[in-house]
Amino acid sequence: GAVVSQHPSRVICKSGTSVKIECRSLDFQATTMFWYRQFPKKSLMLMATSNEGSKATYEQGVEKDKFLINHASLTLSTLTVTSAHPEDSSFYICSARDGDSWRNTQYFGPGTRLTVL
Amino acid sequence: AQSVAQPEDQVNVAEGNPLTVKCTYSVSGNPYLFWYVQYPNRGLQFLLKYITGDNLVKGSYGFEAEFNKSQTSFHLKKPSALVSDSALYFCAVRDVNTGGFKTIFGAGTRLFVKA
Repeated sequence: GAVVSQHPSRVICKSGTSVKIECRSLDFQATTMFWYRQFPKKSLMLMATSNEGSKATYEQGVEKDKFLINHASLTLSTLTVTSAHPEDSSFYICSARDGDSWRNTQYFGPGTRLTVL
Repeated sequence: AQSVAQPEDQVNVAEGNPLTVKCTYSVSGNPYLFWYVQYPNRGLQFLLKYITGDNLVKGSYGFEAEFNKSQTSFHLKKPSALVSDSALYFCAVRDVNTGGFKTIFGAGTRLFVKA
């Protein structure tokens, strides 16, 4: 099946710093990628939809200036958490769809555990 | 609006016994349904999906799911559980009639398989 990778898998940073998380589709091109946040023992919360070559679409309540998303190529999307605070600590998961049709399957990366001290 | 309900936070089953993880959905149009599994500190792995056709869908690792339109359900099943099946399972739905763009996830059901 299609593979999505994320880097880093785990990051610890100080409050006020920025952290960049990369999401790559390894064996397919993804015009659309999704960024989710998962709290402990909770479901996935969609943060934003990232389209290659255009601005990301953010879900209601997600600060676009805090969570910067760039989808510069068909295989790479990045999420930058700017001026991170302890409440941003979470498990961030990206997902990529293997085509433009609604029939296409979403494949998920392994996730990035962010801890802000 | 579309939604997914997984009524059980946790399911316990003995190894070798059949397992069922329940899921019901609500969409305004035709549903496009998925099951994913998540192991600790890992992303979600795709198990199976239903678009149309046979109501019984077979997926990875011996899992299958049955689509029931009248009950708006899409329960995940496996005839004989393994200890290694212990994980967190998510049901998800897309509404085809709204373009199927956004996938909504259920809250998840934790499956414990006891040896």
